[in-house]
Amino acid sequence: AQKITQTQPGMFVQEKEAVTLDCTYDTSDPSYGLFWYKQPSSGEMIFLIYQGSYDQQNATEGRYSLNFQKARKSANLVISASQLGDSAMYFCAMRENQAGTALIFGKGTTLSVSS
Amino acid sequence: KAGVTQTPRYLIKTRGQQVTLSCSPISGHRSVSWYQQTPGQGLQFLFEYFSETQRNKGNFPGRFSGRQFSNSRSEMNVSTLELGDSALYLCASSPGQGRYGYTFGSGTRLTVV
Repeated sequence: AQKITQTQPGMFVQEKEAVTLDCTYDTSDPSYGLFWYKQPSSGEMIFLIYQGSYDQQNATEGRYSLNFQKARKSANLVISASQLGDSAMYFCAMRENQAGTALIFGKGTTLSVSS
Repeated sequence: KAGVTQTPRYLIKTRGQQVTLSCSPISGHRSVSWYQQTPGQGLQFLFEYFSETQRNKGNFPGRFSGRQFSNSRSEMNVSTLELGDSALYLCASSPGQGRYGYTFGSGTRLTVV
């Protein structure tokens, strides 16, 4: 079974609009962390935001926020006021504390921002 | 502050050869992880080294190996290359466990012909 599911292969949005990228996860480990990364065409993975399973509040980092719904096992990334430079592949990833330091990645969502 | 440096950026090898990729982590980071990214399988964890010891290993054959030096620089080696080893190999460094994000390098794109 997939541990990280990203159901949107591609998303299209106009500049200045907000966009939500979906991520659901599956784990029985009570202690885990959720990450979002951005991968532009250059290939580098850029860390965007982190949410710990025990964090009481949703994480925010500038224009990025994470809509964490623990009971539904979802960790959606919200990008407010999209910019052309946001066009990239976005990956949701999970680290289960019982499994050590390995990150488990979803298949990714390609975001295209147009003017 | 220098980021994670991976060398070389691009590599073309022939089936059956071996290859060594290098990763220099952010100064002070003691953990280095390696990932393979392919269109078919996506991003998969290879292994992680912390203070010169392999701490965690993914589900890859023994042809894939790695090591870490006392300065935290890491190398990964793939022996007897197969066409299916063609991929982007990403290295990530971290100061340790917990809520730290992993900082990735730009990757080494390996093509096996």
